[in-house]
Amino acid sequence: DQQVKQNSPSLSVQEGRISILNCDYTNSMFDYFLWYKKYPAEGPTFLISISSIKDKNEDGRFTVFLNKSAKHLSLHIVPSQPGDSAVYFCAATPGGGADGLTFGKGTHLIIQP
Amino acid sequence: DTAVSQTPKYLVTQMGNDKSIKCEQNLGHDTMYWYKQDSKKFLKIMFSYNNKELIINETVPNRFSPKSPDKAHLNLHINSLELGDSAVYFCASSPARAGGYGYTFGSGTRLTVV
Repeated sequence: DQQVKQNSPSLSVQEGRISILNCDYTNSMFDYFLWYKKYPAEGPTFLISISSIKDKNEDGRFTVFLNKSAKHLSLHIVPSQPGDSAVYFCAATPGGGADGLTFGKGTHLIIQP
Repeated sequence: DTAVSQTPKYLVTQMGNDKSIKCEQNLGHDTMYWYKQDSKKFLKIMFSYNNKELIINETVPNRFSPKSPDKAHLNLHINSLELGDSAVYFCASSPARAGGYGYTFGSGTRLTVV
């Protein structure tokens, strides 16, 4: 039973354009949603997060949008750069204690020159 | 200075052996975790420890046992290794009530069982 779903295994975007990565969830108890970036042979690194009481959070080129009624969130990267090529994981947590993160399967973003 | 460090980075071993993976964090976090990334690249939580107490134990075989000598360390012991245990194992840590921040991961240990 996958509580966090990323339905696009890969996404190819031209450098300078917008990258949009999508994520859906099923568990209404999730209060925080996070995006992690992962390079090969490295651990996931935190990118940006959003609380369930917000619908948008922005940090430089990265913006996360949350549609709670649709149980959907998206990560926008503008403009996309070659260094953004990586696997992006969507994660969620109730956030109240040592709950840990529930991850999606990831989307491999490829930025083409 | 690495925030969450795990050793070894690579581990190749034969079926039936017992092995351990070590993890240390220097962030002063209260909770530590072990995650497994399988061949389908799915990252799934295995355990978490808060103040030396096991908080979560997902449906993980009892051949896997986490051991925490202190708040800064959470080691993973695996007995009678099987081929299906081959995966990348990530250690992580967070404050007690991390919310949307503070989950920090190690660089992973790639375990190959032959």
